[in-house]
Amino acid sequence: GAGVSQSPSNKVTEKGKDVELRCDPISGHTALYWYRQSLGQGLEFLIYFQGNSAPDKSGLPSDRFSAERTGGSVSTLTIQRTQQEDSAVYLCASSLSRDRGGYTFGSGTRLTVV
Amino acid sequence: DAKTTQPTSMDCAEGRAANLPCNHSTISGNEYVYWYRQIHSQGPQYIIHGLKNNETNEMASLIITEDRKSSTLILPHATLRDTAVYYCIVTSNTGKLIFGQGTTLQVKP
Repeated sequence: GAGVSQSPSNKVTEKGKDVELRCDPISGHTALYWYRQSLGQGLEFLIYFQGNSAPDKSGLPSDRFSAERTGGSVSTLTIQRTQQEDSAVYLCASSLSRDRGGYTFGSGTRLTVV
Repeated sequence: DAKTTQPTSMDCAEGRAANLPCNHSTISGNEYVYWYRQIHSQGPQYIIHGLKNNETNEMASLIITEDRKSSTLILPHATLRDTAVYYCIVTSNTGKLIFGQGTTLQVKP
């Protein structure tokens, strides 16, 4: 597609439920990144994919968070047993490769845990 | 990755040039300077990046000092739509951008 697409755009879930957030990167972009942004805060790095592998998972805040990427394209970020502190905007970005600057970000998924 | 220091906020008159400074005194030889901006409720938008030489594109110019310890992003003719948070990031292209608090630029009519 023309840009990075994320779905859903908004998600409200009950505390304790699992959620899946989806990212469709720009076609041909091998590098994919997940960030999150809590209200009024800066962007926090979560995980980076090169192809289907994740060489850097250092930003995942706990073992409730996991992500996968299949076919070198779509990525899913899963949060298990959601907590209120997980409420944030989850942003996905892609780039041609890790050393080609200019990441393109999606519009994000706003997650609210009630 | 080297840290950056940016002013918290700046104002600019519409139609004038906006000059946004960034200090990165600990930058190393293989690290690039990237600029992104984030308009309210949107994902960050890539603006420009450079290593040593000054760079210009359709959005902005990037001026990097000779010692590479600081840089300035220039928006030549700021419009109200340029109101945003501007992030200066230094990275060795290892795949991870570390965003700081950025500079909130307010363009005023």
